[in-house]
Amino acid sequence: KNEVEQSPQNLTAQEGEFITINCSYSVGISALHWLQQHPGGGIVSLFMLSSGKKKHGRLIATINIQEKHSSLHITASHPRDSAVYICAVNLFRNQFYFGTGTSLTVIP
Amino acid sequence: NAGVTQTPKFRVLKTGQSMTLLCAQDMNHEYMYWYRQDPGMGLRLIHYSVGEGTTAKGEVPDGYNVSRLKKQNFLLGLESAAPSQTSVYFCASSYARVYEQYFGPGTRLTVT
Repeated sequence: KNEVEQSPQNLTAQEGEFITINCSYSVGISALHWLQQHPGGGIVSLFMLSSGKKKHGRLIATINIQEKHSSLHITASHPRDSAVYICAVNLFRNQFYFGTGTSLTVIP
Repeated sequence: NAGVTQTPKFRVLKTGQSMTLLCAQDMNHEYMYWYRQDPGMGLRLIHYSVGEGTTAKGEVPDGYNVSRLKKQNFLLGLESAAPSQTSVYFCASSYARVYEQYFGPGTRLTVT
């Protein structure tokens, strides 16, 4: 049973395209995280959300608590955005569940 | 600031051997976590700590032990390594429970 489902699993885009990655979860949460895993393996936190919308540069994250759904958008995508994007949910009891990630490749 | 560091970066063990992975953070964070990442699966929480001297089990704790004797360090021990413990291990820390997590670079462990 996967508490966190991401789609798509793989995504190839042309440079400049608008990208959307989706995350659905099945449990009650206190927060949702979007992470970026670089090709070298390092993991960086992009956003932590408990409601609404956050924006950082070309990245936008939204969450709908009632629908148990979040989206990560990348505007004007660039080859350096190529990475695996991971959705994670923080349960109320300090447990975390992670999606299996969306592998994004942006072609020049 | 070094952030979160992990030692070692790579290790190969034979079945039955023991080892300790060290995680250190210099951000004065209360919460620390150990995860494992396996191909085709999401990160899974092994153990976590909410402060110096405390530890708790995560989703996949069997075969691992942890200790948090100092606030800045979180140790993960494998008493008798098994091939099923071949994985990439990540440590992370956060200021409090619902806060951004900072990840270490990972330790790639192979058990033969």
